[in-house]
Amino acid sequence: AQSVTQLGSHVSVSEGALVLLRCNYSSSVPPYLFWYVQYPNQGLQLLLKYTSAATLVKGINGFEAEFKKSETSFHLTKPSAHMSDAAEYFCAGGFKTIFGAGTRLFVKA
Amino acid sequence: DTGVSQDPRHKITKRGQNVTFRCDPISEHNRLYWYRQTLGQGPEFLTYFQNEAQLEKSRLLSDRFSAERPKGSFSTLEIQRTEQGDSAMYLCASSTGDREGPREKLFFGSGTQLSVL
Repeated sequence: AQSVTQLGSHVSVSEGALVLLRCNYSSSVPPYLFWYVQYPNQGLQLLLKYTSAATLVKGINGFEAEFKKSETSFHLTKPSAHMSDAAEYFCAGGFKTIFGAGTRLFVKA
Repeated sequence: DTGVSQDPRHKITKRGQNVTFRCDPISEHNRLYWYRQTLGQGPEFLTYFQNEAQLEKSRLLSDRFSAERPKGSFSTLEIQRTEQGDSAMYLCASSTGDREGPREKLFFGSGTQLSVL
């Protein structure tokens, strides 16, 4: 079965620290991969998507993700966390977009 | 681009009642999706439309659920004889569809939160 797995339902970092949100997908998931972000009381917004043009994908707000086929991973990173990054992040992939369970990011001052 | 709008934002109903939600997609988007999201989970695909045609329904969509998009614009999702297990956030999303292929970007509404008492 196709699945997208996010490791860690909650991640807490200090402001200015590296953000790393992990995502693995099952090998049966076609390599159409996305990261979405959901701020409180708002709809999901696309952060970035893998288009096969490059394995390192840059998105909005300084986020980027690296597609690693050998590891079936698509981890999301940001070099320096900002308070405004606090939100829930969803990794997604495949046709009709299969979503992971989400990772809530907390940013401490 | 006024975004995807959903109405109502919140709905509280008693078990056994029928409820209907509405979604207005971005005007030029020909593809419309319905998802359901429960606490601690990501959105789960329910169904999608290409213009007015309903092309796929998930096995999650029981016979009590019906969705329509009669003129290829707005869509409604109706749940008949609601059960407590139907309590969830119902999300609508739209996209340009085939223009982007499988890597289409979905634009989501803020959702309708359903509580079945």
